[in-house]
Amino acid sequence: DAGVTQSPTHLIKTRGQHVTLRCSPISGHKSVSWYQQVLGQGPQFIFQYYEKEERGRGNFPDRFSARQFPNYSSELNVNALLLGDSALYLCASSPGQQNTEAFFGQGTRLTVV
Amino acid sequence: EDQVTQSPEALRLQEGESSSLNCSYTVSGLRGLFWYRQDPGKGPEFLFTLYSAGEEKEKERLKATLTKKESFLHITAPKPEDSATYLCAVQAPGGSYIPTFGRGTSLIVHP
Repeated sequence: DAGVTQSPTHLIKTRGQHVTLRCSPISGHKSVSWYQQVLGQGPQFIFQYYEKEERGRGNFPDRFSARQFPNYSSELNVNALLLGDSALYLCASSPGQQNTEAFFGQGTRLTVV
Repeated sequence: EDQVTQSPEALRLQEGESSSLNCSYTVSGLRGLFWYRQDPGKGPEFLFTLYSAGEEKEKERLKATLTKKESFLHITAPKPEDSATYLCAVQAPGGSYIPTFGRGTSLIVHP
């Protein structure tokens, strides 16, 4: 059974551009969460979507947005990229809203130049 | 204010040398505490969820325990393949289920 898949695996963008990251959860999982991880730190929560509705939002600017589709896959969008947005972006899926057992994808490494 | 503090930041062990990693937290009314393992350049791998003080869970050479203020991840007779960063996260009570992660402990086990 496939795990959480994210695309692309690596991405280089220029300041001011827009980026879309994609995530496919484990089959049967209805919750998808997004995290940002900078080097040397733990993942920082960005969004949670459950049953296609936003259920949690972390302390990130409005340049960050996300959505979940009817098949439970998800997109994370970041507008007006800044150098500080360079990080590993992680997607995690879990069966329910409680996030008690979350399974992470391999991440998308975003570099903003 | 940090809700989750992990120590030590880095730990080097010889193969077979048992030790413990610490995760202290300041949230009251803990909803859940999670341990993950993360290899370089990869996403975290779920290990354990603990809910209440006194609870213990084991998986191979790892054992996680929970008190009202901290959790320990005990590693018994570690092997080089146990080398990784170990992350702790907590869920505070409230309407959402947002986990707060610590910075992790980087473990290196030498053969």
